[in-house]
Formats: sequence, C-alpha cells, structure tokens
Amino acid sequence: DTGVSQDPRHKITKRGQNVTFRCDPISEHNRLYWYRQTLGQGPEFLTYFQNEAQLEKSRLLSDRFSAERPKGSFSTLEIQRTEQGDSAMYLCASRLAGYDQETQYFGPGTRLLVL
Amino acid sequence: QKEVEQDPGPLSVPEGAIVSLNCTYSNSAFQYFMWYRQYSRKGPELLMYTYSSGNKEDGRFTAQVDKSSKYISLFIRDSQPSDSATYLCAMSIPVRQLTFGSGTQLTVLP
Repeated sequence: DTGVSQDPRHKITKRGQNVTFRCDPISEHNRLYWYRQTLGQGPEFLTYFQNEAQLEKSRLLSDRFSAERPKGSFSTLEIQRTEQGDSAMYLCASRLAGYDQETQYFGPGTRLLVL
Repeated sequence: QKEVEQDPGPLSVPEGAIVSLNCTYSNSAFQYFMWYRQYSRKGPELLMYTYSSGNKEDGRFTAQVDKSSKYISLFIRDSQPSDSATYLCAMSIPVRQLTFGSGTQLTVLP
C-alpha cells in the first residue's frame, strides 16, 4: 500500500496521560499536514511541515501539543497531559509541493478517546 | 462566522436520484476547491478537484464552482447505495492548508 498510513488506528487513554501518534506520508511527498476532526465536523488544520521544517501552527495547537518530522519523512504528534476535550480523530495528509499540486491525500486517522 | 458553510443535512434520497451538495465561502482568496468523501470511521478520500469557475465532470460526479457568488456544488447522478457517506467540501489558498465545511451526511436508499 503506497498511501498515507497512521499508527495506531485507535487509542484509549486516561486523562493526564501522554500519547503519541505516527504518520507515514506517501513517499516523496514533501508536505505533511495534521488535522483534527470531531464528531459531525469537518477536519480542522493543526500544523504542517515542508520536509523537516514546521512552517505553520494553528491556534488550536496548544502548548500541550507538539509535532515533529525529524528526517523529513514520517511525523509524530504528541499530546501531553491529555484532556477529555482532546478526544477526536487525528488525521494526517500529505502532498507534493508545487503550484499545481494542491491535492492532499489523507490517511485513515487515529481515533483518540480520553477517559 | 465560519469561512466555509456547508448544507448540514442529513440527506436521504432513493437510489437513482440526482443529489446536490452545496457550500458557500467568504474568503475570496480561496482558489482551489475540492470535494472529499468520508465513510464512517475512515479518512477523507478525494473525489473532485478544480481551480476554475465552471463545471468539471468525472463519471457520475460533477463539481461546479461559481467564484463570483462564492458558491460550489457537487452533483451526483444516478446515486447508488454505495454513495452513502459524508461529503466534505474543502478549499485552499495556494500552498496553504485546506479549510473544510462541516460535511453533509448522505444516505441513498435501495
């Protein structure tokens, strides 16, 4: 499968615990995006990378959230001291940067439930 | 007010019907317009992508963009039960992140 992959697919954690999600983009896609989607809503932008550089962060990304893409390939999203309001689907998308390459391809998501 | 507003649904139609899904937007800087389909508990899947006003057709799907009215639509002809999903409109400024509508849940009844 050459699509975007995410791991784990599901995560249940207790409030206050730290969690980390991984995203493997389509190979050679240099842009990687993280979105969060809550029930009945469309995905909301969190942050994106071009290669290993984190270029933009949304106001939704509080200081408990951190994302990395150390070698410009896979990315991790960590949430520290989880809260019940963090329960959502976390989606990763990738694309190839270029003026006519606006299409983003999404992974299956990681569904987080904070108890 | 959200930058992208989408008809909320849910929408239920009989098999074979023509479906119309609609979004409006307020940011005139948006230049790229997409429709994604999302099945329950899955990631969004790209259906259509366009960057100009007018119609773009792909099989049973037609995407329509009217930049002067800031209005986009997706039409599905001869709808099938397998089309039952949530449809998300999305748009972007060049090389920026996508801004999504809230989605319309569609059910096609056999």
